[in-house]
Amino acid sequence: DTGVSQDPRHKITKRGQNVTFRCDPISEHNRLYWYRQTLGQGPEFLTYFQNEAQLEKSRLLSNRFSAERPKGSFSTLEIQRTEQGDSAMYLCASSSQQGTGFSGANVLTFGAGSRLTVL
Amino acid sequence: GIQVEQSPPDLILQEGANSTLRCNFSDSVNNLQWFHQNPWGQLINLFYIPSGTKQNGRLSATTVATERYSLLYISSSQTTDSGVYFCAVGRYNQGGKLIFGQGTELSVKP
Repeated sequence: DTGVSQDPRHKITKRGQNVTFRCDPISEHNRLYWYRQTLGQGPEFLTYFQNEAQLEKSRLLSNRFSAERPKGSFSTLEIQRTEQGDSAMYLCASSSQQGTGFSGANVLTFGAGSRLTVL
Repeated sequence: GIQVEQSPPDLILQEGANSTLRCNFSDSVNNLQWFHQNPWGQLINLFYIPSGTKQNGRLSATTVATERYSLLYISSSQTTDSGVYFCAVGRYNQGGKLIFGQGTELSVKP
């Protein structure tokens, strides 16, 4: 297993364009998370999936943002009509919920991130 | 929501020195992880430590859940330890998502 893969690693776009990021999690992981990190800050939670179900979305995820995980494997994060404030590193993480219910360890493994610059 | 505070915000060490990083959190948690973000931006999980003490080589961590803090110890620091250290917490009834602190930026000089 090669870990969590993200593509593209870097994206430069003009304001108003749409962009899409892809995340391939560790194959046996059932949970997938998207985070956003701006310079000098810690990562901020955006959304997460358990298998193909999107179970939570942060208020940070405006209606210009949409995330999918159609078959419970890879995920995409699309940003429509990009704004300069969207410039950030977009991080994907996956985990395998162990144990029953909500107990057990849930250790997140992060990808290298996709850096977005909106001009 | 849970607030996470890390201290110090910045730390400069000479190679070989020891250091202690602190993470305070505002509410009870049952998930706490320490990460190292290298200069290329990759976040590496160091410890999953909701309570107790763990050691991995020159690094060790202790979480006192009842007092809502965790400590990360780095001994005999090396230049490769440079980067940002993040503490992240969560509760399982919130889907396993983690809330990150602002990080401690460590610079180890040769």
